[in-house]
Amino acid sequence: EIVLTQSPGTLSLSPGERATLSCRASQSVSSSYVAWYQQKPGQAPRLLIYGASSRATGIPDRFSGSGSGTDFTLTISGLEPEDFAVYYCHQYGSSPLFTFGPGTKVDIK
Amino acid sequence: QITLKESGPTLVKPTQTLTLTCTFSGFSLSTSGVGVGWIRQPPGKALEWLALIYWDDGNSYSPSLKSRLTITKDTSKNQVVLTMTNMAPVDTGTYYCAHLRIVGVPGAYYFDYWGQGTVVTVSS
Repeated sequence: EIVLTQSPGTLSLSPGERATLSCRASQSVSSSYVAWYQQKPGQAPRLLIYGASSRATGIPDRFSGSGSGTDFTLTISGLEPEDFAVYYCHQYGSSPLFTFGPGTKVDIK
Repeated sequence: QITLKESGPTLVKPTQTLTLTCTFSGFSLSTSGVGVGWIRQPPGKALEWLALIYWDDGNSYSPSLKSRLTITKDTSKNQVVLTMTNMAPVDTGTYYCAHLRIVGVPGAYYFDYWGQGTVVTVSS
């Protein structure tokens, strides 16, 4: 069973700063199978990145994804007020078929 | 435009069976490379994948909940139904259905459209 660990648990930053979120898998995962989602309070998750580095439709280019093997990163190059939210990484492939990480909360410093 | 909407009871008693319906539009669940999944989220906690059904009737379940879950589809009605037996208070949370897209070879699998979620409380 693949377990996803996200760090840090909470990231306190100011608007305009760069956010770097980490997702580590307990065993190697194909980059094709890694996605990132953003969730705001009271809302459904929103797809940001799929295939580890491809932005979903309509996602601003300040969001970028990278990584391979067991280590994946979501970077927000300059935080906008609407970016303060919880971010989840997600993998497909092993039992269980889909796994979500525990999330990283990005809040305003 | 793809939309999904969950429906079902807001309150169920312990040991009862929960039945949730996902009604969708903007795609057909008979199209290759498409699926619908169910994901839940306990209050204040992370997302947990529950079940998935594919365009070809294939399905998959979370191993930890497999014995309690059944997922079916009615392509003519554009609906997917999830049943979960023997509900307990720990099953309280928001239940989402989501459109699965599979792209390329090897396929990238991701949930690109989500319903708004339906809140289910398990209490006597």
